[in-house]
Amino acid sequence: QVQLVESGGGVVQPGRSLRLSCAASGFTFSSYGMHWVRQAPGKGLEWVAVIWYDGSNKYYADSVKGRFTISRDNSKNTLYLEMNSLRVDDSAVYYCVREKGKWDLWGQGVQVSVSS
Amino acid sequence: DVRMTQSPSALSASIGDKVTITCRASQGVNTYVAWFQHKPGKAPQSLIYAASYRHSGVPSRFSGAGSGTTFTLTINSLQSEDLGTYYCQHYGSYPFTFGGGTKVDMK
Repeated sequence: QVQLVESGGGVVQPGRSLRLSCAASGFTFSSYGMHWVRQAPGKGLEWVAVIWYDGSNKYYADSVKGRFTISRDNSKNTLYLEMNSLRVDDSAVYYCVREKGKWDLWGQGVQVSVSS
Repeated sequence: DVRMTQSPSALSASIGDKVTITCRASQGVNTYVAWFQHKPGKAPQSLIYAASYRHSGVPSRFSGAGSGTTFTLTINSLQSEDLGTYYCQHYGSYPFTFGGGTKVDMK
């Protein structure tokens, strides 16, 4: 079954860290670029970061640059998002998305809540 | 960074209506525009890529058009299952950006 499944979300205090995972199955993970996208409560979609299929390039939204790190382990078919120095406005549902010229597969999302 | 401005931000329509959503880019993005549908509590669904190409499985009543700075998503003959929020996105250069969204509900 072709799917992406996020995990690792939860409630965390401001300034702390959290690592999200996105497990891929049913397709050749190492052939696809991967993105993280988030949606804060009551807000629209926001692109967060991308990593190329081989991990050679990574790009970030200005809002997370220097605090978040995207990575992947193609041997484990897993995408990661390491989130440090978390802020209240990082609270959102985080989605991983597959891309090869077009975005065609989304995970179901994982909730991250940053609160004291 | 490229800014994507979507209009309207919300609309009400009846079953069978033709609905058009517009997205304007702050600079030319060729045809590097996608459209997504998002329903509450669900993962977004990809509808259109490269401005006018439908993803596999997307009903033919959805169509996209445009190039450069102005893009449209049209839903011909709106169905009840089309309710939700629609987003445009440019992906011509990093950072990718989404429009603010258009919420479609029933009149």
